[in-house]
Amino acid sequence: EPEVTQTPSHQVTQMGQEVILRCVPISNHLYFYWYRQILGQKVEFLVSFYNNEISEKSEIFDDQFSVERPDGSNFTLKIRSTKLEDSAMYFCASSRDSGTEAFFGQGTRLTVV
Amino acid sequence: EDQVTQSPEALRLQEGESSSLNCSYTVSGLRGLFWYRQDPGKGPEFLFTLYSAGEEKEKERLKATLTKKESFLHITAPKPEDSATYLCAVQAPRNTDKLIFGTGTRLQVFP
Repeated sequence: EPEVTQTPSHQVTQMGQEVILRCVPISNHLYFYWYRQILGQKVEFLVSFYNNEISEKSEIFDDQFSVERPDGSNFTLKIRSTKLEDSAMYFCASSRDSGTEAFFGQGTRLTVV
Repeated sequence: EDQVTQSPEALRLQEGESSSLNCSYTVSGLRGLFWYRQDPGKGPEFLFTLYSAGEEKEKERLKATLTKKESFLHITAPKPEDSATYLCAVQAPRNTDKLIFGTGTRLQVFP
């Protein structure tokens, strides 16, 4: 069964460092997303991406964040200068069409120290 | 503001004891309502999509229903392997694909 794959599963980084979280969405999906979940809190939307551009972003997704689809399979989230409050589980998701169910990866646990 | 509220926060059931989880929502035009299951340290696993009031979906021991203000996830004769956090999410309004999640119901089923 096709699935969304995320790497790494866990990343520890120092405050101020740049991190890149990687995702391989399901191959025939056209819509891609990043969400995050701070420990014990709700899953929160960060950004959606379609047709090689950002279609929507939340207030959380400020200038420190960027997304890219560098080739036909990968989808990345970059945090330029990490802060302690960026520590969270980051989930990549993809959906086949607009308005259809999104399938999530297993997440990358980011710890900023 | 679009909002999703789930209740109860936590639920403990004996194996075989049926129950229901509630998801109430206030959104400006529902596009779709989604149920997910989340195991500890894992990503949300898709269960159901509901698009219009009156719609019902079933899968094994789970059944999801939708009204104009809320959705229920009914669990019939649960087993210990149904223990997880169940998340409800809505998509609204028509021109957005983002999901707005509730805080979830943490279900524990004891043998």
